[in-house]
Amino acid sequence: DTGVSQDPRHKITKRGQNVTFRCDPISEHNRLYWYRQTLGQGPEFLTYFQNEAQLEKSRLLSDRFSAERPKGSFSTLEIQRTEQGDSAMYLCASSLLAGYEQYFGPGTRLTVT
Amino acid sequence: AQSVTQPDIHITVSEGASLELRCNYSYGATPYLFWYVQSPGQGLQLLLKYFSGDTLVQGIKGFEAEFKRSQSSFNLRKPSVHWSDAAEYFCAVGASNTGNQFYFGTGTSLTVIP
Repeated sequence: DTGVSQDPRHKITKRGQNVTFRCDPISEHNRLYWYRQTLGQGPEFLTYFQNEAQLEKSRLLSDRFSAERPKGSFSTLEIQRTEQGDSAMYLCASSLLAGYEQYFGPGTRLTVT
Repeated sequence: AQSVTQPDIHITVSEGASLELRCNYSYGATPYLFWYVQSPGQGLQLLLKYFSGDTLVQGIKGFEAEFKRSQSSFNLRKPSVHWSDAAEYFCAVGASNTGNQFYFGTGTSLTVIP
């Protein structure tokens, strides 16, 4: 079990640029979640997938954000036209089924200058 | 609405002393409850979980937590703290009828002094 991995671990970008993050969940896990964590706060839910289907999106996920999980394995989170307010840690988690514990990756820290 | 409150933003304890971190939740259904620990710049590691059954649950690293439905609480305890326990601790609540998204508290930062 290699755990949940995320790439890159750190990303610095200029305002207005697009960025894409990748998450590889634990291989047998059907559910994949994206969270955002800002300094001094707990993670906030963004969206989740069951296999390749995106089943729920938070109001935090503006039109500039899009997530995919094309083959039900890895997932990508893209932010278009980044803003300084997008600076945060983006966490990915996976779980075997609904109601089961979620296992988190190390996160991608985004800094928008 | 679902919410989690961790009343203590920061706690300092001496190494070897006991620890209790508080967590209160608001949830309309039967909750699933979790405690996670986060070291600086890292992801979250699951310490323990409560789904049903025995209200006192044991976790990793010597931690335990007790679910008290009447108080809507799920406090984390450890009888003897080690310096390596210094980290941020998050309580989370979830349920299968919400798509299993978790709601997290704002965290409690633990400092351990020698």
